Amino acid sequence: DIQMTQSPSSLSAYVGDRVTITCRASQRIDRYLNWYQQKPGKAPKLLIYTASNLQSGVPSRFSGSGSGTDFTLTISSLQPEDFATYYCQQSYSTPSWTFGQGTKLEIK
Amino acid sequence: EVPLVESGGGLVQPGGSLRLSCAASGFSFSSSEMSWVRQAPAKGLEWVSYISSSGAAVYYADSVKGRFTISRDNAKNSLSLQMDSLRVEDTAVYYCARYGGLTLGTLAFDLWGQGALVTVSS
Repeated sequence: DIQMTQSPSSLSAYVGDRVTITCRASQRIDRYLNWYQQKPGKAPKLLIYTASNLQSGVPSRFSGSGSGTDFTLTISSLQPEDFATYYCQQSYSTPSWTFGQGTKLEIK
Repeated sequence: EVPLVESGGGLVQPGGSLRLSCAASGFSFSSSEMSWVRQAPAKGLEWVSYISSSGAAVYYADSVKGRFTISRDNAKNSLSLQMDSLRVEDTAVYYCARYGGLTLGTLAFDLWGQGALVTVSS
């Protein structure tokens, strides 16, 4: 299986900060990388698909980049509703999809 | 209208069985690839099983292969997961999710249900 490793595992930031979360794959996955946001007690929500495509309805302050093995999710100006846990997920190895361990974003 | 609604979760003893259902509405279920994804308490996400739009292709994670069976009824807009020989480590919230695939072009899980809690304990 392809292993996905996110960093950091947790992060504290202020409202208005620019934040970047990194995801690294154990092998090259082209651009087959997705990002999800999950709030406590809720289902995950798709934010970014195939590395850089913004899912419909997702605010433009979210952006994704990368290819090969290294990817980033950037939030340009943190809003109060953005404090959540973020997961990356590879869709290169179908149907053995794997997720990163998550990055918990907390208010400083 | 919530597009995916799971039901059937509950408490079961190790070695027991449980069947989860997922009712779909508001989109073309019969054209959609579907999956189950689970999340153990305070843990990350784990893909469990996949079924193609017609039901002809099914896949399972190694952790559940031989114990879980995914199925669908396109006439009833329904997805199911039959879970047998349950283990303590199967305890999790189980989500049904639509896989965008090549048809929708996302290659991602773009619709999720609210989840059903399965607890395996004696």
